[in-house]
Amino acid sequence: DAGVIQSPRHEVTEMGQEVTLRCKPISGHNSLFWYRQTMMRGLELLIYFNNNVPIDDSGMPEDRFSAKMPNASFSTLKIQPSEPRDSAVYFCASWSTGAVQAFFGQGTRLTVV
Amino acid sequence: LAKTTQPISMDSYEGQEVNITCSHNNIATNDYITWYQQFPSQGPRFIIQGYKTKVTNEVASLFIPADRKSSTLSLPRVSLSDTAVYYCLVGAWGGSQGNLIFGKGTKLSVKP
Repeated sequence: DAGVIQSPRHEVTEMGQEVTLRCKPISGHNSLFWYRQTMMRGLELLIYFNNNVPIDDSGMPEDRFSAKMPNASFSTLKIQPSEPRDSAVYFCASWSTGAVQAFFGQGTRLTVV
Repeated sequence: LAKTTQPISMDSYEGQEVNITCSHNNIATNDYITWYQQFPSQGPRFIIQGYKTKVTNEVASLFIPADRKSSTLSLPRVSLSDTAVYYCLVGAWGGSQGNLIFGKGTKLSVKP
């Protein structure tokens, strides 16, 4: 398996634009997590899905952020409109219930100017 | 969720053994202790998991006392490549409760 795949790896956008981050979890994994990492706030859990259903989105900072998981092999995190303070590295991770570990993608470095 | 407390940073030299302790006073009966490692510009990766006593793998050892209120990650003979942030997580088996919450972690710096 190629692991958790995130795209794009880097994204630079202007303030006010819509940004969509993508994640392909490991096949067979039934839980998916989205994180945001900054120097100031560390690694924050934004939302997680179990069997494609959002279970806890309490970490989503505000209504500008939304996440979807239309099927077991794909998830998106959308920011609209984007703001400079959204600049961070966004990670996606997947997990198979009962397994020992979660697997993380390489992350998407988002810069909003 | 059990709250964890670990040092913000640690320094070491190549070849030394490094022990990072994590406190989790409110650990529940069903909780496991898991450690992840994160290198710069990469996502965290699993190192080791344990429930009680001692667990050892090719990367590290995990020591858990009988009361399970703390745990110690031991890295033998560290090298420069072990410079990373190490996270201690406590939660129920399998993560089905969405307990994959990361704290600030311990930033380990290994010097030559």
